[in-house]
Amino acid sequence: SAVISQKPSRDICQRGTSLTIQCQVDSQVTMMFWYRQQPGQSLTLIATANQGSEATYESGFVIDKFPISRPNLTFSTLTVSNMSPEDSSIYLCSVERGAVTEAFFGQGTRLTVV
Amino acid sequence: GENVGLHLPTLSVQEGDNSIINCAYSNSASDYFIWYKQESGKGPQFIIDIRSNMDKRQGQRVTVLLNKTVKHLSLQIAATQPGDSAVYFCADKRDDKIIFGKGTRLHILP
Repeated sequence: SAVISQKPSRDICQRGTSLTIQCQVDSQVTMMFWYRQQPGQSLTLIATANQGSEATYESGFVIDKFPISRPNLTFSTLTVSNMSPEDSSIYLCSVERGAVTEAFFGQGTRLTVV
Repeated sequence: GENVGLHLPTLSVQEGDNSIINCAYSNSASDYFIWYKQESGKGPQFIIDIRSNMDKRQGQRVTVLLNKTVKHLSLQIAATQPGDSAVYFCADKRDDKIIFGKGTRLHILP
């Protein structure tokens, strides 16, 4: 298994501000993924973050709104920029290790924008 | 785009009975289909997966069935327990990414 720590676990932010979410993994992984889970909904993939290259964003997500850093093989950050109430969600990071499909998730960051 | 969806948003099952959670998919190019369990306040947890060239796979108390003819995936949980209460997501893997379906909440009745 993989131990994934996310910080902060929750936050309440003013609209127009930005929040950076950190994801720390207990061992080196090639690919890290960021997801958004809106209240009562499924997980939507925001982007894939590989070390040493720019993140790859899914349709509907752009770098200016969700800049991602991946400085090494155990750490990544996701920034939610210029926040609005519509950005209120749980943001989760994920890594894969071992079996091809066995992704591990952090506990998530619950963001409320007021 | 193509995605994985679910037939029912909620399912109530008597404790001790078997649970069957269904999922329809549209992307025939997926390599794997996967089931995740998400308990309140936690991230999803891997349960079981099945490769696209298989039609059945069994784990501990769980079985996944894949019917490629009708593009249908199901998760069977034997002897459902209170600890099985959660939201269950089907997902598929394609192009090194895991794409999630909508989720079914499983309620266990005493």
